[in-house]
Amino acid sequence: TQLLEQSPQFLSIQEGENLTVYCNSSSVFSSLQWYRQEPGEGPVLLVTVVTGGEVKKLKRLTFQFGDARKDSSLHITAAQPGDTGLYLCAGARNFGNEKLTFGTGTRLTIIP
Amino acid sequence: NAGVMQNPRHLVRRRGQEARLRCSPMKGHSHVYWYRQLPEEGLKFMVYLQKENIIDESGMPKERFSAEFPKEGPSILRIQQVVRGDSAAYFCASSTADNEQFFGPGTRLTVL
Repeated sequence: TQLLEQSPQFLSIQEGENLTVYCNSSSVFSSLQWYRQEPGEGPVLLVTVVTGGEVKKLKRLTFQFGDARKDSSLHITAAQPGDTGLYLCAGARNFGNEKLTFGTGTRLTIIP
Repeated sequence: NAGVMQNPRHLVRRRGQEARLRCSPMKGHSHVYWYRQLPEEGLKFMVYLQKENIIDESGMPKERFSAEFPKEGPSILRIQQVVRGDSAAYFCASSTADNEQFFGPGTRLTVL
């Protein structure tokens, strides 16, 4: 079983601070997706990273895929209350057409 | 440009009844995945289907659960003789070949 461990599990910080969420595995993934899930809703895709060492930016969010494609990080700059939510990483063995293995999740709360 | 549709959004069943969950993929998507999210747990893969074919059902419980994706109409996840442990949020995702998965809003099943 491929496991994706996310850390921290819970994070509560003040508005304006920076934060990093980690997603680690002992297995290699062909791609890794980051999702955000609001209560009562389905996960919403934020980004997909495919190449080892790849860095993608989405406004104040920066995503990185580890060189060995076993880990990933999500960095948020100047966090805002709207960033509050459950962040999930999910890995696929074969890009796209393959079941996703989801991480344990990081529940982020931004305090105004 | 509708996203993935799931219905019903909420479903209440008594122990022993049947539950039918429906998923209409995004337009142009021919691949459907079902995931289950138990309370306080992460999303777990259940089954992957293409039109009229089950590709991977390695995450499906051996008994009482079945899934189909007919040539016409939505994908159906069927749970027979539900038990309290089946209470969970069930999410459907769809994709095209070699592309990211987009999730529906989920069906929250409560077994009384």
